[in-house]
Amino acid sequence: EPEVTQTPSHQVTQMGQEVILRCVPISNHLYFYWYRQILGQKVEFLVSFYNNEISEKSEIFDDQFSVERPDGSNFTLKIRSTKLEDSAMYFCASSVGQGGNEQFFGPGTRLTVL
Amino acid sequence: QKEVEQNSGPLSVPEGAIASLNCTYSDRGSQSFFWYRQYSGKSPELIMFIYSNGDKEDGRFTAQLNKASQYVSLLIRDSQPSDSATYLCAVNTILYGNKLVFGAGTILRVKS
Repeated sequence: EPEVTQTPSHQVTQMGQEVILRCVPISNHLYFYWYRQILGQKVEFLVSFYNNEISEKSEIFDDQFSVERPDGSNFTLKIRSTKLEDSAMYFCASSVGQGGNEQFFGPGTRLTVL
Repeated sequence: QKEVEQNSGPLSVPEGAIASLNCTYSDRGSQSFFWYRQYSGKSPELIMFIYSNGDKEDGRFTAQLNKASQYVSLLIRDSQPSDSATYLCAVNTILYGNKLVFGAGTILRVKS
């Protein structure tokens, strides 16, 4: 069964460093998303991406964040200068279509900023 | 104002019983409703979705939607210890575009 994959599973970084989180969405899906979940809190939307551009972003997704689809399979989230409060689980998701279509989540990357 | 609300629980049910999980949402324009299961330290796993008023059944799971009351529920029949997890309600509306808005989740504990 196709699934979303993410690497690495755990990333530890120093405050101020840049990190890149990687995702491979399900192959026939066209819409891609990043969500995050701070320990003990809700899953929060960060950004959605379609046709090589951002279709929607949240207030959390400020200038420190960027997304890219560098090739036909990968989808990345870059945090330019990490802060302590960026420590969270980051989930990539994908869906066939937009809006109400089912979104399937990857296993997540646990980001720890020291 | 909270957009998607769930009772945090924990909800404890004995093995074999029916577990009933509830969710309310604030935006009347909401169109699509999803239930995800999340085990501790893992990612959300989609278990049910519903778009229309009424009931939708899939195996041991039944999702119920009442748009007039802005209420969606998930029933789990013949609950098993492996159903013990946090159940997340998520809502999509035209207003929110593609994003899902999640509730905080209800912890379910099934006791054997």
